[in-house]
Amino acid sequence: DAGVIQSPRHEVTEMGQEVTLRCKPISGHNSLFWYRQTMMRGLELLIYFNNNVPIDDSGMPEDRFSAKMPNASFSTLKIQPSEPRDSAVYFCASSDTGAYNEQFFGPGTRLTVL
Amino acid sequence: GQQVMQIPQYQHVQEGEDFTTYCNSSTTLSNIQWYKQRPGGHPVFLIQLVKSGEVKKQKRLTFQFGEAKKNSSLHITATQTTDVGTYFCAGPGSSASKIIFGSGTRLSIRP
Repeated sequence: DAGVIQSPRHEVTEMGQEVTLRCKPISGHNSLFWYRQTMMRGLELLIYFNNNVPIDDSGMPEDRFSAKMPNASFSTLKIQPSEPRDSAVYFCASSDTGAYNEQFFGPGTRLTVL
Repeated sequence: GQQVMQIPQYQHVQEGEDFTTYCNSSTTLSNIQWYKQRPGGHPVFLIQLVKSGEVKKQKRLTFQFGEAKKNSSLHITATQTTDVGTYFCAGPGSSASKIIFGSGTRLSIRP
């Protein structure tokens, strides 16, 4: 199994630009999570999906952030327009809620907004 | 909302010394998970504890779940440089899939 796949691994963009982060969860997992990690705020849950349906988006910082999961094997997190304070590492994780509930994290996308 | 507090924030030890990180919750937890994140890496699941007073071991790592299921600890015996990283505890959130991560304890080691 390839594990959770995220792309791109690194993204450098300018303030005001649109950023799209992508995630492919582990096949068969029915829950998908987007996290943001910074030194100041630690590991924050932004949103999570269960069976492709958004369940809890209370962690999404503001309307500039949006997430979709069009099918069981793909999800996107979009920031439009991006701001320097969005600079962070964004992790995607997946889990099988029918089993141990252990979350498997992807390698992350390091986003820098100039 | 649900919060999981973790202490200390940082720990710097001499190689070979022991290390302990503690996790506390104001409410009873149905289970608790522990993750390790190496520098520049991503969190990796270590273990889940479910039973009151449960103790589990993984080589030099010992995990405990409190009798009241409100606290947990991770103890590393005789640390090695490979133990460097941030250790997170995580408790269940408001729904089945969601977990809430503690702030983490960053372990650094002097060779």
